[in-house]
Amino acid sequence: QKEVEQDPGPLSVPEGAIVSLNCTYSNSAFQYFMWYRQYSRKGPELLMYTYSSGNKEDGRFTAQVDKSSKYISLFIRDSQPSDSATYLCAMTGNSGGSNYKLTFGKGTLLTVNP
Amino acid sequence: EADIYQTPRYLVIGTGKKITLECSQTMGHDKMYWYQQDPGMELHLIHYSYGVNSTEKGDLSSESTVSRIRTEHFPLTLESARPSHTSQYLCASSEWGYRGYEQYFGPGTRLTVT
Repeated sequence: QKEVEQDPGPLSVPEGAIVSLNCTYSNSAFQYFMWYRQYSRKGPELLMYTYSSGNKEDGRFTAQVDKSSKYISLFIRDSQPSDSATYLCAMTGNSGGSNYKLTFGKGTLLTVNP
Repeated sequence: EADIYQTPRYLVIGTGKKITLECSQTMGHDKMYWYQQDPGMELHLIHYSYGVNSTEKGDLSSESTVSRIRTEHFPLTLESARPSHTSQYLCASSEWGYRGYEQYFGPGTRLTVT
């Protein structure tokens, strides 16, 4: 069983739709949960991060972590064509100097159609 | 936009050639990383560095080698390229400490070995 599972999609939605992206994980030691966005022919960029359980909101984006279910989500409200990208979930366990070792999901390819 | 650069962006090379992929960052980050990314697959860490003269192998076995002689520079070398080395190589950097999860990626080098 992989440590992080993410449905690769592809996911195609109309402009303005609410998008839900999800990952499940098996390692209870994970404490930091990230969503990276990767546009075509670019490197990933950090979109949001959450420490431990809970919700975090940033504009149209909301990240949720449910550690009891080992399940994380990213919601995009009022999706725009510019949101079309691959979304990668990533996680790591230790705090301090060791939390650089990220475990990534495969990424979900999202297309928002005008 | 992250100040991390990779050259070349695309490279097609024959089997047996020696190649060096360049990575530079201007953010003064101590930590630097090399990832391998294949289509539809997770990013896998192949090398990382805590600082000058410090390099370690990542979780994914790789025949490549790295060096860190200057803080800003982290080149990756393949002594004898093979078709199995065909992949996208992403360089990243991060600050020291608890924000190690916030990694800044370069645009990647897409390597094809014929």
